Amino acid sequence: RKEVEQDPGPFNVPEGATVAFNCTYSNSASQSFFWYRQDCRKEPKLLMSVYSSGNEDGRFTAQLNRASQYISLLIRDSKLSDSATYLCVVNPSSGSARQLTFGSGTQLTVLP
Amino acid sequence: NAGVTQTPKFQVLKTGQSMTLQCAQDMNHNSMYWYRQDPGMGLRLIYYSASEGTTDKGEVPNGYNVSRLNKREFSLRLESAAPSQTSVYFCASNDGQSQYFGPGTRLTVT
Repeated sequence: RKEVEQDPGPFNVPEGATVAFNCTYSNSASQSFFWYRQDCRKEPKLLMSVYSSGNEDGRFTAQLNRASQYISLLIRDSKLSDSATYLCVVNPSSGSARQLTFGSGTQLTVLP
Repeated sequence: NAGVTQTPKFQVLKTGQSMTLQCAQDMNHNSMYWYRQDPGMGLRLIYYSASEGTTDKGEVPNGYNVSRLNKREFSLRLESAAPSQTSVYFCASNDGQSQYFGPGTRLTVT
């Protein structure tokens, strides 16, 4: 079983739609969680951290369910510019980034 | 402030050739990392350096060596390239919270 699993997609949604991605992780001791965004042929960039209480940044909402060991990302009112691959990232330790584990990504295409 | 820079952007090697991928960051970060990204595999850590003068193996170190030349620079060397090393290579640095990636090097080994 992979340490971090994501549905690879692709998710093709119309502009304005709401779309949700889930990610599961296997290490129950994991400490910190992130969503990164990667545009085609570019480097990953941090989209948002995921906190236990859930957090929101504009149209993006991230949630963590420690009991079920999954993380979700909700995108409301999708824009064409949201088309990218979204990487779920888990860190088993609270300090070093040495153990960051990346999911293989979920591809999103927002259609006009 | 250029962030994390990598050279070259693209490279084609023949099996058995050697090369060094260069990485530099101007954010005064202690930690630096080398990853490879392959389709369907996610990013996998090759080597990392927690601070100047230290390096440690990651998940997939075989076939690679690294040098932390100073706080800014962290290079990755392929001594004898193999087709299995065809990949996109990303360098990254970390400020204790977030990982910052360079633009990547696309390497093809024929």
